[in-house]
Amino acid sequence: NAGVTQTPKFRILKIGQSMTLQCTQDMNHNYMYWYRQDPGMGLKLIYYSVGAGITDKGEVPNGYNVSRSTTEDFPLRLELAAPSQTSVYFCASRPLTDSYEQYFGPGTRLTVT
Amino acid sequence: ILNVEQSPQSLHVQEGDSTNFTCSFPSSNFYALHWYRWETAKSPEALFVMTLNGDEKKKGRISATLNTKEGYSYLYIKGSQPEDSATYLCASNSGGSNYKLTFGKGTLLTVNP
Repeated sequence: NAGVTQTPKFRILKIGQSMTLQCTQDMNHNYMYWYRQDPGMGLKLIYYSVGAGITDKGEVPNGYNVSRSTTEDFPLRLELAAPSQTSVYFCASRPLTDSYEQYFGPGTRLTVT
Repeated sequence: ILNVEQSPQSLHVQEGDSTNFTCSFPSSNFYALHWYRWETAKSPEALFVMTLNGDEKKKGRISATLNTKEGYSYLYIKGSQPEDSATYLCASNSGGSNYKLTFGKGTLLTVNP
């Protein structure tokens, strides 16, 4: 299994541009999550999904959108990039049962200038 | 909002020293307490997931304990090695949900050879 994969690894955006961060998992996990990590701030939950077709807001959803059309994919959309969205973004997934452990992707480093 | 607090924020130890960190969390509506190890330029990896009061888990030189009644967990590293240098994240469930985690800001451990 590849686990959780994210693309791209790095991206520089201009203010006002849009982009989609891709996340795919091949473990047939029901739950998927998007976090952002800012220096000294830990991981903040942006959006999450408990299964295909179901998404919900996390702690910091403003400026982002998500969709979950399949079990495997959970893309994160930035519509109008702002400097405050400069961050490292992590996608994670978790199985329905078992030990509640979350599995993280390698991250996407995004800079908005 | 569920507050998960970690201390200390950072820690420098010498190779061979034993050390420990603290994670505190609200004890109401508790489901699970997670510890993750996060090396620089990598993604977080789960160390332990604990669910029961009094749980103790061990993996090599690293162990953790859980007190759900008073809302704290300790992570211990015995005989620290330079490869133990990483940020150690603690996370707990939030809002009574067993599938959303709130992360602390982490403890950055540096082990000097």
